[in-house]
Amino acid sequence: QSVLTQPPSVSAAPGQKVTISCSGSSSNIGNNYVSWYQQLPGTAPKLLIYENNKRPSGIPDRFSGSKSGTSATLGITGLQTGDEADYYCGTWDSSLSAGGVFGGGTKVTVL
Amino acid sequence: QVQVVQSGAEVKKPGASVKVSCKASGYYDLSWVRQAPGQGLEWMGWISAYNGNTNYAQKLQGRVTMTIDTSTTTAYMELRSLRSDDTAVYYCAKGGLSSGPLDYWGQGTLVTVSS
Repeated sequence: QSVLTQPPSVSAAPGQKVTISCSGSSSNIGNNYVSWYQQLPGTAPKLLIYENNKRPSGIPDRFSGSKSGTSATLGITGLQTGDEADYYCGTWDSSLSAGGVFGGGTKVTVL
Repeated sequence: QVQVVQSGAEVKKPGASVKVSCKASGYYDLSWVRQAPGQGLEWMGWISAYNGNTNYAQKLQGRVTMTIDTSTTTAYMELRSLRSDDTAVYYCAKGGLSSGPLDYWGQGTLVTVSS
């Protein structure tokens, strides 16, 4: 059971848009930055979004992030077959058992 | 250019220990994250390159030790009393989640625990 809650899967046709939610609490998302990671099959995760909505150099603007209260959202527009991957949200949890936390991951399927 | 390179795969028996290395191209805070087969990411802890301070996941306290050799910018993660459910790919990544995102990841090290 992950501290952050993500839907197990989302899907859409090429060119369409998908959104992935990440739900937490005041001790994690509510008071800390959220980052998002893309993991293509058989590879290491890759940073996609940091500080809720910033994209590292080289990440296309088809990928966007937002945060409101204790939830965050990753959006992918103009879906491509190469976007098929697992996506994870991550943040810091400032509770008594302080530490990093991830969502359970969301599998994006391009139909 | 930031690089993070990990040591190779390991096979260990239950009860043994494993030590995975992570060579970074500079002085960076480094986190360790593992992923069991078919499962999601699990944060294990992080170490500061500045002063060697560590923060471990509560469930691993007492079994994990993270160290850093600043002379070679190499971090190490030792996990003791291995069990079959420790079988996973272990990643090190630049960053600490508390101090910033995990922006560069190593290639991963498969640790298999089997009798």
